[in-house]
Amino acid sequence: DAKTTQPPSMDCAEGRAANLPCNHSTISGNEYVYWYRQIHSQGPQYIIHGLKNNETNEMASLIITEDRKSSTLILPHATLRDTAVYYCIVRDNFNKFYFGSGTKLNVKP
Amino acid sequence: DAGVTQSPTHLIKTRGQQVTLRCSPKSGHDTVSWYQQALGQGPQFIFQYYEEEERQRGNFPDRFSGHQFPNYSSELNVNALLLGDSALYLCATHLGQGARSGELFFGEGSRLTVL
Repeated sequence: DAKTTQPPSMDCAEGRAANLPCNHSTISGNEYVYWYRQIHSQGPQYIIHGLKNNETNEMASLIITEDRKSSTLILPHATLRDTAVYYCIVRDNFNKFYFGSGTKLNVKP
Repeated sequence: DAGVTQSPTHLIKTRGQQVTLRCSPKSGHDTVSWYQQALGQGPQFIFQYYEEEERQRGNFPDRFSGHQFPNYSSELNVNALLLGDSALYLCATHLGQGARSGELFFGEGSRLTVL
């Protein structure tokens, strides 16, 4: 019962911005959007989260559309170490995190 | 400050056996969730514990059960193991049921192989 849809894979050149899209058309008004990444089947690592407004931290930016039905994670200057599976997640009112299938980001030299 | 710790990291069982996985939450965290991640898929929510009670449950059979202790640590038990139970089991913790924001911290997982 995934609440998010992501492309299975994307390529990005090293040093360029990586823009990872996510659809969450059934999101409810007070459910948050989270992004995590996972490298080599380690535990997922937190990147960023937001509710309505765009957010930025030292790792990435999160752009959420006004209708909240989709969002984009932006890694401003991708490096080889950013190669990972990126998960777009909806956190519901009961603190359940709904993972999609993720996007495998391949950063190439 | 130790993060979320899980044990064991790897284990192998045979069909029909039972397994117990353990999780110690990040310091100060009182809510523990368990996820199952099959190979090539995203993590799937199993259940969540808060104040030593199961609060939320995903679409998993009763063979999957858990427990939370007064120190907030948790166990996941799986009975009558099936081949399809082979997966990475992730523990995730955060603070409080009322906090709908903030980061969920994951452990490195327990890799279960059922033969």
